[in-house]
Amino acid sequence: QKEVEQDPGPLSVPEGAIVSLNCTYSNSAFQYFMWYRQYSRKGPELLMYTYSSGNKEDGRFTAQVDKSSKYISLFIRDSQPSDSATYLCAMSAEAAGNKLTFGGGTRVLVKP
Amino acid sequence: DGGITQSPKYLFRKEGQNVTLSCEQNLNHDAMYWYRQDPGQGLRLIYYSQIVNDFQKGDIAEGYSVSREKKESFPLTVTSAQKNPTAFYLCASSSWKQVNYGYTFGSGTRLTVV
Repeated sequence: QKEVEQDPGPLSVPEGAIVSLNCTYSNSAFQYFMWYRQYSRKGPELLMYTYSSGNKEDGRFTAQVDKSSKYISLFIRDSQPSDSATYLCAMSAEAAGNKLTFGGGTRVLVKP
Repeated sequence: DGGITQSPKYLFRKEGQNVTLSCEQNLNHDAMYWYRQDPGQGLRLIYYSQIVNDFQKGDIAEGYSVSREKKESFPLTVTSAQKNPTAFYLCASSSWKQVNYGYTFGSGTRLTVV
């Protein structure tokens, strides 16, 4: 079993819909949670960073962490065709320093 | 502008040949990483380095080698021992002082065996 699980998709939504993405993990030591966006043939770029449990909002993006359930989510409101990309979750435990463990990524398609 | 530069963007390797992928950063980051990404799959860690002249194996180090002679540079050599090297290779860096603020990635090198 992988340490971080993420549905590969593709997840297809109409423009303007809410995109809901999630990851589950097994390592209870993870405390730092991130979401990256990767366009085709490009490197990932950091979207959101959250420490421990709770919510964080940045524009159209909301990240949620539920450590009791070992479950993290990313919501994209008012989705745009430019949001079409692969979204990767990543996490680390403080003891592991700066070594991140990535999910496999979810491909998202926002149709005009 | 600060960032990570990977070169070349595309690379073709013949059977039995070693090739080296370049990664340079001007972010003054201490740590650097190499990942491999296969179609439809996530990132798998090949090697990482937290300081100059030191590096550790990741999850799939066999058939690869690295060096870290300068803080700015972390080249990856794909050796002939790597039997299935066709993949998208990503280099990343992070600040040891801000260890959990995430990585900065390069734009990747696509390696194809011909």
